[in-house]
Amino acid sequence: EVQLVESGGGLVKPGGSLRLSCAAFGFTFSSYDMHWVRQAPGKGLEWVSSISSSNNYIHYADSVKGRFSISRDNAKNSLYLQMNSLRAEDTAVYYCARRTDLRAFDYWGQGTLVTVSS
Amino acid sequence: DIQMTQSPSTLSASVGDRVTITCRASQTIISWLAWYQHKPGKVPKLLVYRASSLESGVPSRFRGSGSGTEFTLTISSLQPEDFATYYCQQYNSYSHTFGQGTKVEIK
Repeated sequence: EVQLVESGGGLVKPGGSLRLSCAAFGFTFSSYDMHWVRQAPGKGLEWVSSISSSNNYIHYADSVKGRFSISRDNAKNSLYLQMNSLRAEDTAVYYCARRTDLRAFDYWGQGTLVTVSS
Repeated sequence: DIQMTQSPSTLSASVGDRVTITCRASQTIISWLAWYQHKPGKVPKLLVYRASSLESGVPSRFRGSGSGTEFTLTISSLQPEDFATYYCQQYNSYSHTFGQGTKVEIK
């Protein structure tokens, strides 16, 4: 059974850092591009970042470029999001998602809440 | 970046109603469009991919159509479990942009 399990969320002060993790189970992790998506309170879904299956291609939304860094460890079946210089507007539930060639984001993690507040 | 515009933002409907949600892309995305259903406290669920292909297990009352820049999601007969927020998403370019969402409420 395919499972994505996020961790690492929590309360952090503005300007602080946090590292999110996403553990993958039940599929060949190294064969899939992976993405992070977030949803701020009362807002819609926002695409954040992506990384290709073999680490060749990385992309970021303009809202996080220069502050967030995505990475993956295929040997550990894990995806990461390093978030620096956090702002109040980064407060959101962060989801990791598996991207397939045809079916877009077919599996999502349960989400981890990041709260940026003093 | 490709912008995705959904309409309406909110839709009030009754059980049994036919419901249509529209999504417009700022430039052609061919058929690289997905629709998701999202309920509070739950994980987004893929309904339709490649604009018109129904994800496995999704009821046939959901139908996606369109290509290029104009797309629609139609629910032929709204059921109680369908009250949720629906998002379109383009996956033609790296940015994988979502529409702003359409909340389907009980009338």
